[in-house]
This record gives sequence, structure tokens and C-alpha cells, in this order.
Amino acid sequence: QKEVEQDPGPLSVPEGAIVSLNCTYSNSAFQYFMWYRQYSRKGPELLMYTYSSGNKEDGRFTAQVDKSSKYISLFIRDSQPSDSATYLCAMKRVSSASKIIFGSGTRLSIRP
Amino acid sequence: SAVISQKPSRDICQRGTSLTIQCQVDSQVTMMFWYRQQPGQSLTLIATANQGSEATYESGFVIDKFPISRPNLTFSTLTVSNMSPEDSSIYLCSVEAETGNNEQFFGPGTRLTVL
Repeated sequence: QKEVEQDPGPLSVPEGAIVSLNCTYSNSAFQYFMWYRQYSRKGPELLMYTYSSGNKEDGRFTAQVDKSSKYISLFIRDSQPSDSATYLCAMKRVSSASKIIFGSGTRLSIRP
Repeated sequence: SAVISQKPSRDICQRGTSLTIQCQVDSQVTMMFWYRQQPGQSLTLIATANQGSEATYESGFVIDKFPISRPNLTFSTLTVSNMSPEDSSIYLCSVEAETGNNEQFFGPGTRLTVL
């Protein structure tokens, strides 16, 4: 079993829709949770960074962490064609502060 | 966030040869990392490169195959040695922000194809 599971998609939604991207994980030691966005032929770009459980909002993006269920989500409101990219969840333990474990990524396409 | 550049951006190489990838950061950083992203897959950490010490390799990666240099706080190189088609991948360097909040930022990647 992988430490981090992420549905690879592809996920296609119309412009303006709310997008929900999710990951599950198996290791309860993860404390830092991240979402990266990766456009084709580019490096990953850090979108959201949260510590422990709870919600974090930044513009149209909301990250949720539910440690009791070992489940994290990224919501994108009012989705735009420019949001079309691969979204990678990632997480790391406090004890290994720098090693990040990535999900496999979900490919998202926003239809105009 | 740090601005990270990599050279080359892409290359096509012959089996058995070696390629050195450069990573340059616009600010001094303590921790630099090298990742591999194989086609359609996620990122896998190859090694951690700290200035003034030997690189630390992850399970499945060895120094003879992926030698790393870290001569100063803004630069690192990764060499992919004795390449085979299985080494075809995107190689990415990343750095940890010096802000103390453990954020990592990535370079644009080097797309390597081995024939």
C-alpha cells in the first residue's frame, strides 16, 4: 500500500464549477500537508501549505485536513481554464522535516 | 519564494553516456533536493544535498549512479551516470525555504530522454 493515495483522474469540469481534489494517507505521523500545481512541462508550484488538521483558505482555493480520517482535500471555487494542470498532494512528518511524500497527482481540465 | 533555474532544460542522450544537470538558486539555502519524475508518475526523492557534507541518498539510489555536488549555498549538480533508457525522466531540484516553515520550492525540471 502506498503511503499517499491520489486518484490520477483525469478530471474534466466546466468553467465556473467547484472542483474537489482528494488524497488519503496511511501514516498518522504526517503533520505537514501541501498541494502543488504542476503545469505541463513545468516544475511543481506550491499552492497551499497547512500544519495539522483544519482548513486554510487562499483566494479561490481551500485546503482541508482531516487527520482522524487521514484525508486531505483541495477545493477550487469558480474554476478557470487556467486552473487546468496536474495537482499533487504532498505531506511530511515532523521527525523528517524535509522529506516530502507525494501523491501521484490528479490531472484536471477546466472546459471553457 | 526562491527562484530556481536548471540547465539543461532538456536533453537527448545515448545509452552509456553521462549527463550533469545544474541547479542555481537566487538566494542562499541550506537544503537542496533532487527528485525524479518518471512519465505519468509522481515525484521520487533521489537525494538531499547539503553544503559542506556528503549527499544523503534515498533507498534505491546510489552515489555511483547519481553523484551530486554542492559546492556552495546557491548551486548544486546531479550527474546521471552510465545512462540507460530507464533513466528517461524529468529531474527536478528543489530547495527548502529559509523562513523556518519547511516549505519547498521546485525548479522547472530537466527532461531527459535516453536512447
